[in-house]
Formats: sequence, C-alpha cells, structure tokens
Amino acid sequence: DTGVSQNPRHKITKRGQNVTFRCDPISEHNRLYWYRQTLGQGPEFLTYFQNEAQLEKSRLLSDRFSAERPKGSFSTLEIQRTEQGDSAMYLCASSWGRRAEAFFGQGTRLTVV
Amino acid sequence: ELKVEQNPLFLSMQEGKNYTIYCNYSTTSDRLYWYRQDPGKSLESLFVLLSNGAVKQEGRLMASLDTKARLSTLHITAAVHDLSATYFCAVGETSGSRLTFGEGTQLTVNP
Repeated sequence: DTGVSQNPRHKITKRGQNVTFRCDPISEHNRLYWYRQTLGQGPEFLTYFQNEAQLEKSRLLSDRFSAERPKGSFSTLEIQRTEQGDSAMYLCASSWGRRAEAFFGQGTRLTVV
Repeated sequence: ELKVEQNPLFLSMQEGKNYTIYCNYSTTSDRLYWYRQDPGKSLESLFVLLSNGAVKQEGRLMASLDTKARLSTLHITAAVHDLSATYFCAVGETSGSRLTFGEGTQLTVNP
C-alpha cells in the first residue's frame, strides 16, 4: 500500500481557467476527505465522501467547486473559473471508519496567476 | 460551530528542555488527533485520542485528552532538533465526520 496519492503535485493556472485534481485513497478506505490549507493556517474542511456518496460539504465549497468519487474509488476536485483566492494547498485524506485516523496525501499546490 | 484553539502558536525551545502544547475546543467531541507537518510537506498522523483520559506516547511525545475540560495536551520531553515542525490538533464533532484543525504550533528546537 503506497498511501494516499494526489496528482498533480503542483499546478499553476491563469485566473479564469478550470483545474481538476485527482486523489487516489488508500485501497479499501471507504471515507475520503478534501481539505484546503493556506500558508500559516490549519487545513479547512471542504467535502467528504463515504464510498461514492458525497455526504457533507463545507460552506467554503462555492458553486465553482465540484467533487466526485465515482465507484467509491479515486476522487476528483474541480475548480471552475479559478480566482486568485483559490491559491492554496489542496489536501486529500482517507480513512476506514469515522473515528479512525485519516491519512493525508502529499497535496496539490495550486497557484492562480 | 466548533472552534479549536492551540497555544502557543510559536515555540522556540532549547534541546533537552520539556514543554507542552495545548489544544482547547469549544463543543462536544468524540475524537481528537495530533498531526505533524514539515515545511512544504503533508500531514503525518501522530496520535489518535478517542476517550476521556486517553494517553498515548511515542518517543519524546506524549498526548492526553480531557473531554470534560475540552482540552488536549502534547508534551515534549527532552526536545531534539528533529522535532522541529508544525504540530496541529484536529477535533471531530460528535455528530459529524469533518475534522476542525487548530492553527498549528510552529516548534523550533535549537541546539
């Protein structure tokens, strides 16, 4: 098991473009989370999947953000019409069970110019 | 809304000294986690605390949980340079699945 994998590791995009990130969780983990972290802050929750169902979304997740987890395996996070304020590290985590520890991927660092 | 506060936010220590990082949270929780983050890296899980009075130790780090006081501590014993990192506590609400993170404590251990 290689842990939680995220791609790409870095993404630079122009304002107004769409971007998509991918997360491959630890196999057999049924829960998958997306968080966003800006410099000097703790991660902020974005959304959560149990298997393929998206069960919780933060108010931070505006209409420009959408996440999917088809077939309960990998997940994608898409940001449409990116803004400079979207620049952050996007972290994916997975766990088996609500109270089990969540293992984080290396993150995707997004820079919007 | 759950609020998580850590203190101190910045901590500069000498090698060999002891210190404690505090994590307070505002509402009922049934789980608390401590993570370590090195600059530019992701989060590494350190401890999982699931019940009142739980105490976990790994090397020079020991974490405890007091759910009645809504307080967790991360105690560092005889600090070494390799412990320099940012430490986060993360708290889960009883009714939900999300974790709410503190702002982090940036620890620097000086020779």
